Amino acid sequence: QVQLVESGGGVVQPGTSLRVSCQTSGLPFNSYGMHWVRQTPGKGLEWVGFISGDAGKSQCAESVKGRVIISRDNSKNTLFLQINTLRPEDTAVYYCAGDGAHRDIDYWGQGTLVTVSS
Amino acid sequence: QSVLTQPPSVSAAPGQKVTISCSGSSSILGNEPVSWYQQLPGTAPKLLIYENDMRPSGTPDRFSGSKSGTAATLGITGLQTGDEGAYYCGAWDDSRRAWVFGGGTKVTVL
Repeated sequence: QVQLVESGGGVVQPGTSLRVSCQTSGLPFNSYGMHWVRQTPGKGLEWVGFISGDAGKSQCAESVKGRVIISRDNSKNTLFLQINTLRPEDTAVYYCAGDGAHRDIDYWGQGTLVTVSS
Repeated sequence: QSVLTQPPSVSAAPGQKVTISCSGSSSILGNEPVSWYQQLPGTAPKLLIYENDMRPSGTPDRFSGSKSGTAATLGITGLQTGDEGAYYCGAWDDSRRAWVFGGGTKVTVL
């Protein structure tokens, strides 16, 4: 059974940094590409970025490029998302999700809420 | 404004059918498959359809997908109250090197 569990969300001040984590189990993590997707409360889904299974390739959305670092620790089956210089518009639920074999996003975590507010 | 265009809402009575359209461009959906995601209230999204028309195990056959050119469609037959929620199409945009989602369609069972 695949499980993705995000943690690390909370209320943070604008201009600061935050790192959220995603602990995974039940999938071959070190060969699984992973995504971060966010959702502003009451709004739609926005892709944040992707990292390949071996961490050799990563891509980010234009809206966060230069402020986001996606990394992973394959020895701990854990994915990370660091967002720097946080802005109020970064307020969202952040989901980690698995890169499926058919150009899809197959597994999703339950999400962690990040609120950027002074 | 999303790169993939979906209607904001659709509705029908229980037992009826609804269809949700997803319109893209040649760089999106032209050469890449579309997938569909169901998000029931208060829950995380879930993969509903992959590779245009394939159902993962666990997706009832009441849900179907199709794609023609740069447009895709999700169909739900035998509508149930438990189907109420938001539905998103998604695909890889090779020109932007980014994953894109439609704006989402809210399904209401009357």
